[in-house]
Order: sequence, then C-alpha cells, then structure tokens
Amino acid sequence: DIVMTQSPDSLAVSLGERATINCKSSQSVLYSSNNKNYLDWYQQRPGQPPKLLIYWASTRESGVPDRFSGSGSGTDFTLTISSLQAEDVAVYYCQQYYSIPFSFGPGTKVDIK
Amino acid sequence: EVQLVESGGGLVQPGGSLRLSCAASGFTLSDHYMDWVRQAPGKGLEWVGRTRNKANRYTTDYAASVKGRFTISRDDSKNSLYLQMNSLKTEDTAVYYCARVERYCSSWGYWGQGTLVTVSS
Repeated sequence: DIVMTQSPDSLAVSLGERATINCKSSQSVLYSSNNKNYLDWYQQRPGQPPKLLIYWASTRESGVPDRFSGSGSGTDFTLTISSLQAEDVAVYYCQQYYSIPFSFGPGTKVDIK
Repeated sequence: EVQLVESGGGLVQPGGSLRLSCAASGFTLSDHYMDWVRQAPGKGLEWVGRTRNKANRYTTDYAASVKGRFTISRDDSKNSLYLQMNSLKTEDTAVYYCARVERYCSSWGYWGQGTLVTVSS
C-alpha cells in the first residue's frame, strides 16, 4: 500500500502571502505509460465535504482560482497558494489514485496569521 | 446540476448493520465509477470502496479495513448508490461521503454532504 505524508501539519500565513504544502508518497505515483502523476489535492473547509483543487498533480480543476498551483513528480509534490485569501482557511489533503487502496495524506491545516 | 445526497446514517450498536444510500441526480449514474469515503470525527479522510460503471461490469474494490463487512451496490434505474455495512465496529464511526469519479481525470469531482454513522453501545 502507498503511504502518503504531508508537511507541515499546520501553518499560519498572513493574508496575501504564500502558503506551501508538501506531500510525499512512499512509492512513485507516476504512471509511465501516460506520464501522468496520479496525485490530487483537495480542500476541506470546516463542516464541508472535500473539494477537488488539482488533479494529475498540476492540473487545476475548472473554477479553481489560479492562485492555487500544484507541482512535483514521482514521489514529491507541492501545493502552493500564491496569495492567501480568507476563504482559503481549510485543511488540505493530497491523495494518490495510482493504486488501490487509494490513500490520503494526513492533512495540512492552513490558518491566517 | 450534479447532486449527491447521502442518507441512512444514525446510531447503531457494535455488531449491528446499517445501509447507507446516495441519491444521484443531474447525471447518468451508470456512466460513472462511484466511491465511498469516510472521515472519523476530527480525523482525516479514508477511502472505503469503489463500484465501477456498467461498462466495467460494476466490479468493486474495498479497503482492507472494511472488506468482508461492507458491500457497495447500485441501482442505476433509481440513480442510487448503496453501502451495506455489517458487523459494525466502534472504529467505523465516521461521516460517510459518496463521491463521483470524473472520467476526464479519475479524481472525485463531486461529493455529497455526508451522513454520520455512530457505532456505540
């Protein structure tokens, strides 16, 4: 099974500043036949279901603000919020869908400093 | 508009059973893989299981923690997805979400609001 880890556990960033979240998988989630990383990022606001932000590690879902970006390949990935807004306060999860059982990172809580 | 609405949660004793439903609207259920994901109170997300679409003969997969106890089924004529949970344990206490797998990216693009299952004596 693929184990996902995230760092940091939480971070507080001033409005308008950059937030960076790291995610690591215990084995590569890069599928060689199509050169896609089977890694996505979800945002979960309090009391809400998760919301898809990024898929294939770096493709922004339709309607997601362009201040959110994903990068990385293989086993190391990053979610960046370029200019934090108040509505971005949430827990962020990375998730691999390379192999069953699908697995999530433990989450990173983002707050306003 | 795509909507997923879960129901059937509640309080059940350890060893008991419960059946969750997920009513889908705004799309053709038979075209999509559908998953269940759960979240224990104050904890992270855990994938529970998947049912594939009609073209893939509705095959299923499960997390090891629920395999043999939980069963995913669907009734495409009613546009509904189900999760039959047997031999429930206290550690199954969670909010259960149904989620639609998007064909263009294989990620979960739509989620229901969730239904809470509490396993306690």
